[in-house]
Amino acid sequence: DTEVTQTPKHLVMGMTNKKSLKCEQHMGHRAMYWYKQKAKKPPELMFVYSYEKLSINESVPSRFSPECPNSSLLNLHLHALQPEDSALYLCASSQGRGALTDTQYFGPGTRLTVL
Amino acid sequence: TQLLEQSPQFLSIQEGENLTVYCNSSSVFSSLQWYRQEPGEGPVLLVTVVTGGEVKKLKRLTFQFGDARKDSSLHITAAQPGDTGLYLCAGDSREGFKTIFGAGTRLFVKA
Repeated sequence: DTEVTQTPKHLVMGMTNKKSLKCEQHMGHRAMYWYKQKAKKPPELMFVYSYEKLSINESVPSRFSPECPNSSLLNLHLHALQPEDSALYLCASSQGRGALTDTQYFGPGTRLTVL
Repeated sequence: TQLLEQSPQFLSIQEGENLTVYCNSSSVFSSLQWYRQEPGEGPVLLVTVVTGGEVKKLKRLTFQFGDARKDSSLHITAAQPGDTGLYLCAGDSREGFKTIFGAGTRLFVKA
């Protein structure tokens, strides 16, 4: 099983709303990632969690707040977003540190629209 | 800085034609991945290549990793409309956990 699930599939929110994106994997992977992808561009890394600890924050604005409650779950809390934050948000997971090849497996994404 | 350059950026062909997509770098990668992505969906892993000179086949798709592990190619034989999508190559960065992505090749196969 190489499945990463994400909810919701689509999300429309106003600039004053608070919402959360959820990601789950049951492959025993110890690294989990959030990416942002704009149309016709490759994914851009936002955050990386390794063994449930934040390892990388790619200078992401504080209106995006990641959380890793356990080794299978990854959340992205959203607050006071801007219209330019509208994008496809992708979650991925990989085996993590020590793996010979740390191939990432992606979820289906959440299409976020900020009005 | 590690970079992956993909070519061509866009390809529109007729059903039944063959095509090759290239992924090149001046840096050595421990492995390279190829993904296919449809609009509004997440990238789906097609293959990981690890050994220099390695060739892997997935039905009509043939993947090759360069001997020096700096480049890779994806060849599709007898393309079908279902092959339409964005093809991304990606490689393990020297900065642990960071994957380097190529800009992608957008393929459109006309019936």
